[in-house]
Amino acid sequence: AQSVAQPEDQVNVAEGNPLTVKCTYSVSGNPYLFWYVQYPNRGLQFLLKYITGDNLVKGSYGFEAEFNKSQTSFHLKKPSALVSDSALYFCAVRDTNAGKSTFGDGTTLTVKP
Amino acid sequence: EAGVAQSPRYKIIEKRQSVAFWCNPISGHATLYWYQQILGQGPKLLIQFQNNGVVDDSQLPKDRFSAERLKGVDSTLKIQPAKLEDSAVYLCASSLAPWGNQYFGPGTRLLVL
Repeated sequence: AQSVAQPEDQVNVAEGNPLTVKCTYSVSGNPYLFWYVQYPNRGLQFLLKYITGDNLVKGSYGFEAEFNKSQTSFHLKKPSALVSDSALYFCAVRDTNAGKSTFGDGTTLTVKP
Repeated sequence: EAGVAQSPRYKIIEKRQSVAFWCNPISGHATLYWYQQILGQGPKLLIQFQNNGVVDDSQLPKDRFSAERLKGVDSTLKIQPAKLEDSAVYLCASSLAPWGNQYFGPGTRLLVL
């Protein structure tokens, strides 16, 4: 069975500092990997995805993520955090064979001024 | 373009009652998903449609939950009878293709008393 782990329930960073939100996954086939963000009182929004190709994927709002096949990880990163980045972040994996999506339990990112 | 529409936004029922949720996906999106999100957890896929056919319903409690997508456009999810543990947010999402970005609706918050 496929699974996603987001080992940190909460990540706190100061504005202007780099941020990392961690994600590891387990699938039987080749993975499609996604990050979604949920701002307070708003629906889930797509942030970025890895399908194939370059291991470093760039997405919305200056976020990027690095696919590491050997470590089965897909960590979300941003070089300089903004207070407005504070939100709940979900990592998701899809098995290219089955197509079924599995989400992690989310990481709350808080960026302090 | 219009986003994914869901109704109602909120619903309070007593256990053993029935309830139905409606979803209208983004126009042209062939793939439609229903998720259950319990507080503090990530979304859990209940059922995935490709046009009007079911792709995956392995996590749908079929003794009480049912879903349909007539004509391959909008969809309804029904719970009958509801249990206390069904209290959650029910999210509908759609995508152009099975492995595409998912666009989420605002969700229906269900409270079962």
